[in-house]
Amino acid sequence: AQSVAQPEDQVNVAEGNPLTVKCTYSVSGNPYLFWYVQYPNRGLQFLLKYITGDNLVKGSYGFEAEFNKSQTSFHLKKPSALVSDSALYFCAVRATSGNTPLVFGKGTRLSVIA
Amino acid sequence: GAVVSQHPSWVICKSGTSVKIECRSLDFQATTMFWYRQFPKKSLMLMATSNEGSKATYEQGVEKDKFLINHASLTLSTLTVTSAHPEDSSFYICSASRTDFMNTEAFFGQGTRLTVV
Repeated sequence: AQSVAQPEDQVNVAEGNPLTVKCTYSVSGNPYLFWYVQYPNRGLQFLLKYITGDNLVKGSYGFEAEFNKSQTSFHLKKPSALVSDSALYFCAVRATSGNTPLVFGKGTRLSVIA
Repeated sequence: GAVVSQHPSWVICKSGTSVKIECRSLDFQATTMFWYRQFPKKSLMLMATSNEGSKATYEQGVEKDKFLINHASLTLSTLTVTSAHPEDSSFYICSASRTDFMNTEAFFGQGTRLTVV
């Protein structure tokens, strides 16, 4: 079975500082990993994905994530946080290619303080 | 990226009535769509997989007679909450992936906030 763990319910960071939102996963075989962001009363917006290739993945709005197979992690990072980055972030995994549902972590609320 | 449109964005209904939520893929065909439910400050819970031209597959614990899913075309899936009760109040989100690309991300609708009074 697939699973995703986001160990932090809340992450607070000062504007301009680097941010990290943690994610670890469990899956049989090669994982397909995703990060999404959700603003209040909105659907999920895709940020980035890892399928294969370079372990460092760059995505939307200056976000990036590093796939670490030995640690089964896929932490989301941004060098300099903005107040507008404050939102709910979800890590997700899929074990197979094709049209199967994503398995989500519980989400991490990021608060960037001016 | 692809666009998935969900309608309505919010709805208030009386207890005992039914509510229909539409999920459309605007610029691609989706043979499969997924319906999720999100409780306040919680993650997304997969409710069912909607398959074009066939019956939906429901996750364990989801009442198929209460949450009717119809996927009549390659661009439209509907979720009908029948005989709604206050405990059905929630945020419902649909998603779809492009079937012409492998390993692609899922695209999500804007979500529907359902309040049953």
